[in-house]
Amino acid sequence: DTAVSQTPKYLVTQMGNDKSIKCEQNLGHDTMYWYKQDSKKFLKIMFSYNNKELIINETVPNRFSPKSPDKAHLNLHINSLELGDSAVYFCASSRPVTALQETQYFGPGTRLLVL
Amino acid sequence: EDQVTQSPEALRLQEGESSSLNCSYTVSGLRGLFWYRQDPGKGPEFLFTLYSAGEEKEKERLKATLTKKESFLHITAPKPEDSATYLCAVQGNPFKAAGNKLTFGGGTRVLVKP
Repeated sequence: DTAVSQTPKYLVTQMGNDKSIKCEQNLGHDTMYWYKQDSKKFLKIMFSYNNKELIINETVPNRFSPKSPDKAHLNLHINSLELGDSAVYFCASSRPVTALQETQYFGPGTRLLVL
Repeated sequence: EDQVTQSPEALRLQEGESSSLNCSYTVSGLRGLFWYRQDPGKGPEFLFTLYSAGEEKEKERLKATLTKKESFLHITAPKPEDSATYLCAVQGNPFKAAGNKLTFGGGTRVLVKP
């Protein structure tokens, strides 16, 4: 009964490659997010989608392109991977900001290593 | 810009030795302050949400409190299974752009030795 799931769990790739990470939630939430956790363990927002519409884009390079085919899925595509993209990427979901409780529930993370 | 600072960065406790973690924040209109627990190799696991100064919440050996400038996570008589990184995050005014994002602190790594 995984609430927020991500694939793959690990991703090792070469510089310059293009890769995608997938996220799915079965909580019935309308809002989904991508966060990046760097080597110093800081979690930082990248994107947020509400009902398939982009509502947050936090100064992320345009090599990163999120796509939401429906409100249960939010994928992250990364073009021309760079060494600095190595990090753990977390997907999260919540009810809309107007709801009484907007707790964000996180997936298990995707560990990306760019060589 | 919202900011969150957690202290200490790391905490080593003996089993049964109670302690407190601090989360100081600045935010334009606090919507909620969140505590999460993160185990190595896993995603953050939700613990508490606090909405207004003076509010307190408890769960087993954990108790979270909130003032206008900071939050504390008290761990009473901790056990080895309480070892984890504890993350604090704030959510600002939802009526501003990007109001529903969480701004996280750097976390406190807690190690409880038997």
